[in-house]
Amino acid sequence: KAGVTQTPRYLIKTRGQQVTLSCSPISGHRSVSWYQQTPGQGLQFLFEYFSETQRNKGNFPGRFSGRQFSNSRSEMNVSTLELGDSALYLCASSLPGANVLTFGAGSRLTVL
Amino acid sequence: GQQLNQSPQSMFIQEGEDVSMNCTSSSIFNTWLWYKQEPGEGPVLLIALYKAGELTSNGRLTAQFGITRKDSFLNISASIPSDVGIYFCAGQLPKEGSTLGRLYFGRGTQLTVWP
Repeated sequence: KAGVTQTPRYLIKTRGQQVTLSCSPISGHRSVSWYQQTPGQGLQFLFEYFSETQRNKGNFPGRFSGRQFSNSRSEMNVSTLELGDSALYLCASSLPGANVLTFGAGSRLTVL
Repeated sequence: GQQLNQSPQSMFIQEGEDVSMNCTSSSIFNTWLWYKQEPGEGPVLLIALYKAGELTSNGRLTAQFGITRKDSFLNISASIPSDVGIYFCAGQLPKEGSTLGRLYFGRGTQLTVWP
């Protein structure tokens, strides 16, 4: 059974640009969550989607947004990139009613 | 936001030694999870705990959900080189039980095992 797939794995952007990251959850998983991981702040919750609806949102500025499609795939977007947005962005999926997240390998974003 | 205090920050041990790490919080959690992350990968679930006092093993790993629901610990027995990685604790607050995706993470314990 395929795991959580994130694309792209690595990308480099410059300040002011925008970026879109993609996440395909494990088949049958309808809940998708996004986390930002940095050396300074650790793992920080961005948002969670279930059945195409945002269920919860962390304390990030409005430049960070996401969406979920009818096939449960999810994308997150960061607009007007700042140097501090450089991070590993992790997507995780879970089964309805399960208290466990399965993470993808992440998308490493570098902002120059 | 919620703070999970995980200690120690790093450990340097010799192969065969036992390892112990713990996580504490000022808030009550209804789920405690332990993950391991290796370079270039996302966190991988090791053990999930759902009840206060619960003690669960996964091979050489043993974790416990503290009775106060504000702490958890992870033990690794007879460490081997492939145990190297960063170990994270994570917890879920009771009021967010219906929103499964929001976990609060500790800052991690970097484990190095010398052969």
